[in-house]
Amino acid sequence: GESVGLHLPTLSVQEGDNSIINCAYSNSASDYFIWYKQESGKGPQFIIDIRSNMDKRQGQRVTVLLNKTVKHLSLQIAATQPGDSAVYFCAENRNYGGSQGNLIFGKGTKLSVKP
Amino acid sequence: DGGITQSPKYLFRKEGQNVTLSCEQNLNHDAMYWYRQDPGQGLRLIYYSQIVNDFQKGDIAEGYSVSREKKESFPLTVTSAQKNPTAFYLCASSSSGTTTGELFFGEGSRLTVL
Repeated sequence: GESVGLHLPTLSVQEGDNSIINCAYSNSASDYFIWYKQESGKGPQFIIDIRSNMDKRQGQRVTVLLNKTVKHLSLQIAATQPGDSAVYFCAENRNYGGSQGNLIFGKGTKLSVKP
Repeated sequence: DGGITQSPKYLFRKEGQNVTLSCEQNLNHDAMYWYRQDPGQGLRLIYYSQIVNDFQKGDIAEGYSVSREKKESFPLTVTSAQKNPTAFYLCASSSSGTTTGELFFGEGSRLTVL
């Protein structure tokens, strides 16, 4: 089975509020994680990544937190906007023969932003 | 603009027919990938290629075939042996020299078997 999964399949927030999307992983040896955003009918877009030697990483309006003790990853979106409505996937890096682009994806969380 | 182009965007197929999905990239990336996405599901790896003339099976390769004759191109054939081919297919690429695992995705091809 997949080693990356999400706690909640859907999340609804009010515009302007902060959003938190969670992800659990089962492989304690995992050392690299990525968050992707996928809008309806489109391919996923990279949001932010984090290595296991970090606990927190910030981007523009997004923050990823990594808790290795409980094998938990979260994506925080500040001041959520209607354009943030999408499905969000966490992914775990899986090395196959040296390739560092091979990812295991979770099932995704659908974020809906209410105006 | 640099990117990944998938075609066709929508494709209909009768049972028993093979179809080929195109994927072209002008990012000069060495590695290319094919993922399958079913409704409400994450992405599952079908095949990947780290270099021209070489490719490996992913998690769900049965019923699919690929080729990598050029760096820019990584076509996927969905054969009649694939029992449930209706899905959204995503092609991606990455720079093999990158220290990150970032994949760049195309816009996808939606295949429907009638």
